[in-house]
Amino acid sequence: EDQVTQSPEALRLQEGESSSLNCSYTVSGLRGLFWYRQDPGKGPEFLFTLYSAGEEKEKERLKATLTKKESFLHITAPKPEDSATYLCAVRAAGNKLTFGGGTRVLVKP
Amino acid sequence: GAVVSQHPSRVICKSGTSVKIECRSLDFQATTMFWYRQFPKQSLMLMATSNEGSKATYEQGVEKDKFLINHASLTLSTLTVTSAHPEDSSFYICRANPDRVGSNQPQHFGDGTRLSIL
Repeated sequence: EDQVTQSPEALRLQEGESSSLNCSYTVSGLRGLFWYRQDPGKGPEFLFTLYSAGEEKEKERLKATLTKKESFLHITAPKPEDSATYLCAVRAAGNKLTFGGGTRVLVKP
Repeated sequence: GAVVSQHPSRVICKSGTSVKIECRSLDFQATTMFWYRQFPKQSLMLMATSNEGSKATYEQGVEKDKFLINHASLTLSTLTVTSAHPEDSSFYICRANPDRVGSNQPQHFGDGTRLSIL
């Protein structure tokens, strides 16, 4: 069974304090690892897709990396508007997504 | 960009009421749509896969008679929570998978429906 574990569950940061979120996974036949941002009362907003170990993607203050067992979402010099829940999901055969529990990030000014 | 519209955004109703939630793909066709459920501070759990023109595929533990899914067109899937009870209160989110070739990113989510059963 595919499993995705995210840590930490919650993260409180000062504005400008860089940090990393972890997404550990076990899946047979990875067909993509996805990062999303979710604001309260909203659906997930797509951020990145990673397909193979060593791959990296960047968008503004966010950078996602992938190894064979885990992915990291690095937040560099975060701003209060980066406060959100960040979700990680993996896709195996059959196009089914399995989500992790998410990391709630709060960036204080 | 591709947009998925989910309606209503919030429903509050009495126990025993049936509630219908709509998921529409506004500028693309989607033979396949997905319905998720999310409890507070928890992640998205897949409930069922909705297929246009055929029966939905339900995940283990999801009652198909409780959560009726209809995917009657290539742009609309509906989820009906029948005889809802307080334990059905949750945040329901749909995802639409575009049919067009090359569209492989699972990025088209609705904005969710907050269902509260009193």
